[in-house]
Amino acid sequence: LAKTTQPISMDSYEGQEVNITCSHNNIATNDYITWYQQFPSQGPRFIIQGYKTKVTNEVASLFIPADRKSSTLSLPRVSLSDTAVYYCLVGGDNNDMRFGAGTRLTVKP
Amino acid sequence: KAGVTQTPRYLIKTRGQQVTLSCSPISGHRSVSWYQQTPGQGLQFLFEYFSETQRNKGNFPGRFSGRQFSNSRSEMNVSTLELGDSALYLCASSAAGGLYEQYFGPGTRLTVT
Repeated sequence: LAKTTQPISMDSYEGQEVNITCSHNNIATNDYITWYQQFPSQGPRFIIQGYKTKVTNEVASLFIPADRKSSTLSLPRVSLSDTAVYYCLVGGDNNDMRFGAGTRLTVKP
Repeated sequence: KAGVTQTPRYLIKTRGQQVTLSCSPISGHRSVSWYQQTPGQGLQFLFEYFSETQRNKGNFPGRFSGRQFSNSRSEMNVSTLELGDSALYLCASSAAGGLYEQYFGPGTRLTVT
């Protein structure tokens, strides 16, 4: 399973765009990139998944460069309720699914 | 459609006892994965079941076991409980399995005294 590296924490203010970058230098050809959000005492919530280029849904965008060695989760106009831990995972089926330490995002008023 | 359900939500056990946790996946999902979450170790993968077969296994001792039934419901068993087994146990269901779009349940909070 490709190891991922994310910033431990990030701060932002309400209404700003937040970009969280994840490094995964040894990503395999069949691996997907998936992001989850977790609030305290709750299970993680699926945010977005992609393989290459750009994926957008109603809550976020995921940017993946051509070499796929990194990816960036973009959260547009964050609010206080976006304060959470964000996890980047890389892999596909039949993989040991390891969550790293994640990025603790704090949104301030 | 209904989400992932886990029972019980809270559990207190004594060292040396055993415990069984249950997880009902989203209807139609054939994959169930189990995770342990503690403040010190974060989210750690226990195992994944897909169509009643264990497909992946994390790095946990044999005291941790699981199974999946034909209706995709899954159980996780921990024998000879230790204080360090106190944690939030989460299960996640997925249609395709692996890291593809998992949906997590609320978890079972296990306290071992």
